[in-house]
Amino acid sequence: AQSVAQPEDQVNVAEGNPLTVKCTYSVSGNPYLFWYVQYPNRGLQFLLKYITGDNLVKGSYGFEAEFNKSQTSFHLKKPSALVSDSALYFCAVRPFGYSSASKIIFGSGTRLSIRP
Amino acid sequence: DAGITQSPRHKVTETGTPVTLRCHQTENHRYMYWYRQDPGHGLRLIHYSYGVKDTDKGEVSDGYSVSRSKTEDFLLTLESATSSQTSVYFCAITGDHYGYTFGSGTRLTVV
Repeated sequence: AQSVAQPEDQVNVAEGNPLTVKCTYSVSGNPYLFWYVQYPNRGLQFLLKYITGDNLVKGSYGFEAEFNKSQTSFHLKKPSALVSDSALYFCAVRPFGYSSASKIIFGSGTRLSIRP
Repeated sequence: DAGITQSPRHKVTETGTPVTLRCHQTENHRYMYWYRQDPGHGLRLIHYSYGVKDTDKGEVSDGYSVSRSKTEDFLLTLESATSSQTSVYFCAITGDHYGYTFGSGTRLTVV
């Protein structure tokens, strides 16, 4: 079965320190990979995506993610965390790339908490 | 979120009553989706539509039905609400970035 795993329910980081939110996936083919962020009482907002090319992709708010095909991982990173980064983060995968029949699968989410 | 709105934003209803949630888009997208969000489960697909009057089931469709009579509107109906359907419901359309653009959500409480 196709799946996305976010092994950490919560990640706690001090402001100014680097952060990593982990994601691994199990899908066939060459998937599209995404990170979304959700602030309280809001919908999910797109952060960044990997389609093809450079394994390190950059997105909104200074976030970046590293695609590792051999480890089937797509970890979210930021060099220096801000308190305002505190939110719920979802990793998502679109199997088979961009196809009208290909629906996105979401991980269970990781709550990121940045302490001042 | 630009181009996609959900209504109502909050609703409290009693067990056994029917409930309809509305998703409206102004982007003329063919595909629309309904998800529910629950702690520990992330987002799970309920139903989706690939055109007017064309819909299909997702992974958690039991107890839900949908209708799409116009491109811009996708309705989710809980035929007889149960407490297990207390959740936050999100509508989504295909976004410019090959992923989805989400509405702001509807928080439904079944008492």
